[in-house]
Amino acid sequence: SAVISQKPSRDICQRGTSLTIQCQVDSQVTMMFWYRQQPGQSLTLIATANQGSEATYESGFVIDKFPISRPNLTFSTLTVSNMSPEDSSIYLCSVEDGQGGDEQYFGPGTRLTVT
Amino acid sequence: QKEVEQNSGPLSVPEGAIASLNCTYSDRGSQSFFWYRQYSGKSPELIMSIYSNGDKEDGRFTAQLNKASQYVSLLIRDSQPSDSATYLCAVKRTGNQFYFGTGTSLTVIP
Repeated sequence: SAVISQKPSRDICQRGTSLTIQCQVDSQVTMMFWYRQQPGQSLTLIATANQGSEATYESGFVIDKFPISRPNLTFSTLTVSNMSPEDSSIYLCSVEDGQGGDEQYFGPGTRLTVT
Repeated sequence: QKEVEQNSGPLSVPEGAIASLNCTYSDRGSQSFFWYRQYSGKSPELIMSIYSNGDKEDGRFTAQLNKASQYVSLLIRDSQPSDSATYLCAVKRTGNQFYFGTGTSLTVIP
């Protein structure tokens, strides 16, 4: 399976600022995904990022708040903009890789705290 | 109705016992089903994928799928303390949408 890294692993940010999270994969993948996992809860898909096209956002998530870049087949960034304490969460990127191409593998996550 | 439902637990089993984790899903057209293990403070780790009705075994883990009942389960045989984690059921719906359950917390008691 693909090896996925994320930067930063954690950060503490002030409200009103923005943070960009990087996701790097060791092989070329078509689809990358960004999830949020709030404390004690399951994973919620923010958006799907395909190389060469605009990201597709899930209901409740908008591009102005969570802009995404996907410049090539091994890299993506998620920016959390104009942060508030409600954005405190773990942000995870994942890729599809495996039999039939639909098993998802996750990066180690970025733990964000907004004060 | 939630897309994927799991009992939140906590589920406690003694070491060496069988742990049984259950999941139901709402979209009858779903074709792909997954179990993930998540240790506290870590990201989810894929344990099993299953696509056809019946059982699929991998070591101490067995996934069971019943599409007619819209039910998928995970059995862990000879449970070990290292199996203590939250187990997430995930379903890929038609249209490639991927949904996770809220997870079941498992504790294996030595």
